[in-house]
Amino acid sequence: LAKTTQPISMDSYEGQEVNITCSHNNIATNDYITWYQQFPSQGPRFIIQGYKTKVTNEVASLFIPADRKSSTLSLPRVSLSDTAVYYCLVGGISGSARQLTFGSGTQLTVLP
Amino acid sequence: NAGVTQTPKFQVLKTGQSMTLQCAQDMNHNSMYWYRQDPGMGLRLIYYSASEGTTDKGEVPNGYNVSRLNKREFSLRLESAAPSQTSVYFCASSTRLAGVSYEQYFGPGTRLTVT
Repeated sequence: LAKTTQPISMDSYEGQEVNITCSHNNIATNDYITWYQQFPSQGPRFIIQGYKTKVTNEVASLFIPADRKSSTLSLPRVSLSDTAVYYCLVGGISGSARQLTFGSGTQLTVLP
Repeated sequence: NAGVTQTPKFQVLKTGQSMTLQCAQDMNHNSMYWYRQDPGMGLRLIYYSASEGTTDKGEVPNGYNVSRLNKREFSLRLESAAPSQTSVYFCASSTRLAGVSYEQYFGPGTRLTVT
């Protein structure tokens, strides 16, 4: 099981770039790295997914170094509405494995 | 296109009562999942269904049963509720089994309290 470690909480100000790092030292060769966002009283929402190097979409970028033992979610110019919990998920279900544990996530608070 | 829907939104049970949580998706997804989320914690997988007609245990299956009624619907049953099952339950679906490049879509959750 690819255990993940993230900071419990982070604060930022509106308009700043926020980087949240996730450590996953025992990531398997075929594991993807996926980030989800969760607002209070809602289900998680997919943000971005990657395997290696850099992935960018309309809301975020994901940086993955060559050894893949960590990943960094980058949110450009955050706003108050980005206040949420962010989860890093590594791996998935394959064969008899049942590895879809989200971990405790990072509470991002964006301040005005 | 409603995505993933769950019923009920809220439920209070007494210890020993039974109930079924319903989940449906309209995205023609093959795989479906049930998670629980305890206060201040991440989601833990209870059961999943890779495709219609199959179900498998996740990380925390004890005290639960599931039924994949058809491709759209995946229900979670508590046969004899216990206070330790007080939690928020999320259903999710994905095109194929989650992990290898298949993102999951989540429902709004069911908040269950067992007294």
